[in-house]
Amino acid sequence: QVQLQESGPGLVTPSQTLSLTCTVSGASINSGGYYWSWIRQHPGRGLDWIGYIYYSGSAYYNPSLKSRITISLETSKNQFSLRVSSVTAADTAVYFCAGVRNWRFDYWGQGALVTVSS
Amino acid sequence: QSALTQPPSASGSPGQSVTISCTGTSGDVGGYKYVSWYQQHLGKAPKLMIYEVNKRPSGVPDRFSGSKSGNTASLTVSGLQAEDEADYFCVSYAGINDLIFGGGTKLTVL
Repeated sequence: QVQLQESGPGLVTPSQTLSLTCTVSGASINSGGYYWSWIRQHPGRGLDWIGYIYYSGSAYYNPSLKSRITISLETSKNQFSLRVSSVTAADTAVYFCAGVRNWRFDYWGQGALVTVSS
Repeated sequence: QSALTQPPSASGSPGQSVTISCTGTSGDVGGYKYVSWYQQHLGKAPKLMIYEVNKRPSGVPDRFSGSKSGNTASLTVSGLQAEDEADYFCVSYAGINDLIFGGGTKLTVL
């Protein structure tokens, strides 16, 4: 059974960089077939897709966030990561990692709340 | 890129059927078969309920069904049960490696 788990700081200072890691178990992120993705959900609102990365290292980002986003693989640890630079209060959200296949989200992490505040 | 349009709320009594719509454009919902639906209970991770418009993953009750007409996809929940009360949202492929989400619908079982 494939499981995903987000980890990282729950509080980030404005203008700093938000960093989260997703640890995948039950599947190898190196094996292909899945796009490893990040999504976020602002309090009381719907979900926003941040972007994804393929096992080859090719990444695609939501155009509205592209200038501040980096998604990377750490294959030796079977993890992938998200970095969001120059954060503001508007980046406060629950961040989910997920596995995407055939343009559907098959697997989700439990979510990690990140608050941007001084 | 605007979010797919869903009604903010829907409701029904136990045993009834409820349909939730998801309206996009010919560039997303209307143009591809890759529409999926997710159930999210408060504070929990979303769960895939329907994929490729009308396919159910293993383990999802057949009370959940999906369809599409033109630029609008729909999720129908038949024989409503208390545990169906949750948020539901749709996702569509939008071409060029892009995905677009619906705004979400809160389903209340009266």
